[in-house]
Parts: sequence; structure tokens; C-alpha cells
Amino acid sequence: EPEVTQTPSHQVTQMGQEVILRCVPISNHLYFYWYRQILGQKVEFLVSFYNNEISEKSEIFDDQFSVERPDGSNFTLKIRSTKLEDSAMYFCASRQGITEAFFGQGTRLTVV
Amino acid sequence: KNQVEQSPQSLIILEGKNCTLQCNYTVSPFSNLRWYKQDTGRGPVSLTIMTFSENTKSNGRYTATLDADTKQSSLHITASQLSDSASYICVVSNDYKLSFGAGTTVTVRA
Repeated sequence: EPEVTQTPSHQVTQMGQEVILRCVPISNHLYFYWYRQILGQKVEFLVSFYNNEISEKSEIFDDQFSVERPDGSNFTLKIRSTKLEDSAMYFCASRQGITEAFFGQGTRLTVV
Repeated sequence: KNQVEQSPQSLIILEGKNCTLQCNYTVSPFSNLRWYKQDTGRGPVSLTIMTFSENTKSNGRYTATLDADTKQSSLHITASQLSDSASYICVVSNDYKLSFGAGTTVTVRA
């Protein structure tokens, strides 16, 4: 069964450093998403991406965040200067159309 | 504002018993509603997806219902097992955006 793959599974970084979280969506999917979940809290929407551009972003997704689909397969989330409060699980998801979204297993980001 | 409200926030049940989780939403327009199971530290895994015209859908011991008129959905777990201990998240879609509920944490005890 096709799946969304995220790497790394766990990343520890120092405050102020840049991190790139990587996702390989399911190959024929068109819509891509990043979500985050702070420990013990609900899943929060960050950004949606369609047709090689951001279609919607939340208030959380400020200038420190960016997304790219550099080579047609990978979908990356970059945090330029990490803060302690960026520590969370980050989930990538993809959809073919309006059907269900498939989620990756997440990247646990720990900012120290 | 599109919202998805789930209840209860958490519940504890004995192995073998049944339970029902609730989801109310105000998302509009409505495309579909999904129930996901999320084990601790893992990504959400889809249990069911329901469109406007569907009232009931089952996936093994999981049965979801949808009343699109009242904008309510429920997830019924039958004959619970220890492995059912997880968070259950209701996700409502309007076209390309997914709106998440806060989840219900289910703990099944032997």
C-alpha cells in the first residue's frame, strides 16, 4: 500500500538553527499539507500546497516557515530560525483530490 | 470560522465493552468527514471517510454515522480491545482544507 514517508523521525536542534523536514508524498497525489501537534494538544494546520504554490496557510506559518517541492517528489518544510515553541510532531499529508488524506508517521522536532 | 468539536475529551472503558464518540462541526461547505485513529507519537491513520450522502459506514469493529443536516457524526467502537487505546480524531474537509477536532483519548483497560 502506498504511504507518505517522512524523514527524519526525530530531530534535535539548537534554538536559532535552521531545520528542514522532509516528506515524500504518495506519487499521484496533488495536494500536500503540513500539520504540527504540540505534545498533548490537537493537530494544527500549517500550510497546504497545490500546483506548486501555497494555497492556504495558517497564522502559525509565519516568515520563519517555508515549503518547497524542489524535485517533484519531495515536499519540504523549512524553519529558518527555530524557537523552543517549535518543538512538536510535524506531520505531512497528501491527497489525490477531495478523497481522504494520508499522513506520514511524523517528525518529532525538539528544539533545545 | 470552521470548527470541529469532539466529546468526550477522554474516556476509560473495560475491555470488551462498547463506546461512542461524538463529533459536531460547523465546517462549510462540507466535502467529507473522516475519523482517524492516532496512537501516541504516530501519525493519524484513517478509519472511515464519509461523504454527504452516506449515513453509516463500518470498518471492522468501528462504525461511523453522519447526520449532515445536524452536522453531527459519531464513531462507535464495538467489543473494545486493548489495542483500541488511542486518540480518535474527527476531521472535516471543505474541498482542500482539513479541519481537525481536538480528539477523544480512549483508554481500554483489562
